[in-house]
Amino acid sequence: GQNIDQPTEMTATEGAIVQINCTYQTSGFNGLFWYQQHAGEAPTFLSYNVLDGLEEKGRFSSFLSRSKGYSYLLLKELQMKDSASYLCAVRVLGKGGFKTIFGAGTRLFVKA
Amino acid sequence: ETGVTQTPRHLVMGMTNKKSLKCEQHLGHNAMYWYKQSAKKPLELMFVYSLEERVENNSVPSRFSPECPNSSHLFLHLHTLQPEDSALYLCASSQGIDRPQETQYFGPGTRLLVL
Repeated sequence: GQNIDQPTEMTATEGAIVQINCTYQTSGFNGLFWYQQHAGEAPTFLSYNVLDGLEEKGRFSSFLSRSKGYSYLLLKELQMKDSASYLCAVRVLGKGGFKTIFGAGTRLFVKA
Repeated sequence: ETGVTQTPRHLVMGMTNKKSLKCEQHLGHNAMYWYKQSAKKPLELMFVYSLEERVENNSVPSRFSPECPNSSHLFLHLHTLQPEDSALYLCASSQGIDRPQETQYFGPGTRLLVL
């Protein structure tokens, strides 16, 4: 079966760095997404990784290791507005075509 | 603003009611999706439409009935729902369905409570 695991909740301090991990066991891997979802709002796209390595986008970076089935989202210089849920999602290719499978999300609380 | 709107934002209905959720995308996309989001659970894909044709129905009970009259609009018709159907219903769109990096753009969701 297809499985995605990420921590349920994390707490970090304003100005600090936090790493949100995601592990997956899937077949037909074709990339990994991170989305951010503020309470009561739409999930919004943060990053897509299909090759191993780190991709940096401002304060946010995303890392992928396909051999380990592992990704993380790194948030630097945390701000209060970064308090949100972060959804890890894996793109897979199966008999029926492409599908995006979501994890349950990690709720990040940023405290002053 | 993601370019995807949903109405209503909140809905309370009894188990015998019939209601509809509406989604509209202003991005010129060809694919639209309905997801169910329950607390502490992964997003559950319900339906996928590509060029107004339903391409996926993930074993969703018949009390949920989708309709896609054109590539910009998507409806979810609800009837005789159960309390366990209470959740956030998210609509999304994407350019297509057949590329690896198919980024989905989500609406803000309809918070549904079934009494």
